[in-house]
Amino acid sequence: SQQGEEDPQALSIQEGENATMNCSYKTSINNLQWYRQNSGRGLVHLILIRSNEREKHSGRLRVTLDTSKKSSSLLITASRAADTASYFCATDKQGGSEKLVFGKGTKLTVNP
Amino acid sequence: DADVTQTPRNRITKTGKRIMLECSQTKGHDRMYWYRQDPGLGLRLIYYSFDVKDINKGEISDGYSVSRQAQAKFSLSLESAIPNQTALYFCATSDPPGESSYNEQFFGPGTRLTVL
Repeated sequence: SQQGEEDPQALSIQEGENATMNCSYKTSINNLQWYRQNSGRGLVHLILIRSNEREKHSGRLRVTLDTSKKSSSLLITASRAADTASYFCATDKQGGSEKLVFGKGTKLTVNP
Repeated sequence: DADVTQTPRNRITKTGKRIMLECSQTKGHDRMYWYRQDPGLGLRLIYYSFDVKDINKGEISDGYSVSRQAQAKFSLSLESAIPNQTALYFCATSDPPGESSYNEQFFGPGTRLTVL
């Protein structure tokens, strides 16, 4: 069963706008990761946030984590057409077997 | 050269055929995984291996088997393919969590399998 659920399922914005995607999960975690997938290709790791962190930045990416609400958000600032992809959150469940459980993804389209 | 490679990249086969998908990695990681991706369902874990002598079932292992031939090689077999195994299959690798790793996974380019 899916641990993480992304919201929205699909998002369409104009170049230059910010894109925000959310992820909710069900159990306590060690960390939460975000991955990107260009159409039909392998996933690429973007950023990881540990359970004791609240916010993390990497370039145009900003990730927040609220463990009390069991939710995370991924913000992409000043989006570009090349950011068009699907974005997945993945959780590493606390006390689990160190497998990642992926959500169903948010499909982001950035229009030029 | 890619760190995680998968062969074949595309395969069309018929119901009942035995199929093997292969994964090789040059990252030196101990851990390897097989996932399948279906539209709208995200990635689901089929099998995983934390070292050469360790094989574990994932969420959806029925109808699949695996072989970890070496640290660098992990194969997925469909003993008797059926149409609902049509999907995109991904191999991934990782290091165990530690000082410099938090279980980030590195994915291959995928194998698109169609079972007619």
